[in-house]
Amino acid sequence: DQQVKQNSPSLSVQEGRISILNCDYTNSMFDYFLWYKKYPAEGPTFLISISSIKDKNEDGRFTVFLNKSAKHLSLHIVPSQPGDSAVYFCALPTGNQFYFGTGTSLTVIP
Amino acid sequence: NAGVTQTPKFRVLKTGQSMTLLCAQDMNHEYMYWYRQDPGMGLRLIHYSVGEGTTAKGEVPDGYNVSRLKKQNFLLGLESAAPSQTSVYFCASSYLPSGVNEQFFGPGTRLTVL
Repeated sequence: DQQVKQNSPSLSVQEGRISILNCDYTNSMFDYFLWYKKYPAEGPTFLISISSIKDKNEDGRFTVFLNKSAKHLSLHIVPSQPGDSAVYFCALPTGNQFYFGTGTSLTVIP
Repeated sequence: NAGVTQTPKFRVLKTGQSMTLLCAQDMNHEYMYWYRQDPGMGLRLIHYSVGEGTTAKGEVPDGYNVSRLKKQNFLLGLESAAPSQTSVYFCASSYLPSGVNEQFFGPGTRLTVL
């Protein structure tokens, strides 16, 4: 049973526009939410996180929004740049384990 | 600092063969993890370790064994490889439990089992 879902396998956005990546989860036990970015032939790297006591966290061009009642989080990238083209995973830790979403492949078109 | 390194980067095995994947980290992290990534499945935890000499099962442990004899190394073994184990394997480490701290990932090992 998939605890974490990213329903959009891919997304294409024009350079300079906003990219919105979504993540849904099924269990209310998660207290902390992370986004990772992955380039081809590399391991994932941490991007941004949010605690369950907040509904928004911003870091430069990246903002993560959390809607606990809807069990939904989203990552906004504004403005999108070609270097943002990568696969993005949401990751929800519990205990000593992480549950990762299936990933969304973002392509930013110059 | 090299961070998290994985050996080898690529490997092709025949069904029934065995192999060991090596993960090394130089950040003095207590926690280490092995994941596999398959198309449409995201990353799934195979085994993890909360310190030297400890190991624990993750979400998909069957067919794999691990050892953490030294704090900096975490080995993943396949005793009798099967085609279903064709995947990309990632090792990760973290200083604190994952719930409060990010994980640092290695570059991955692409394994094909024929």
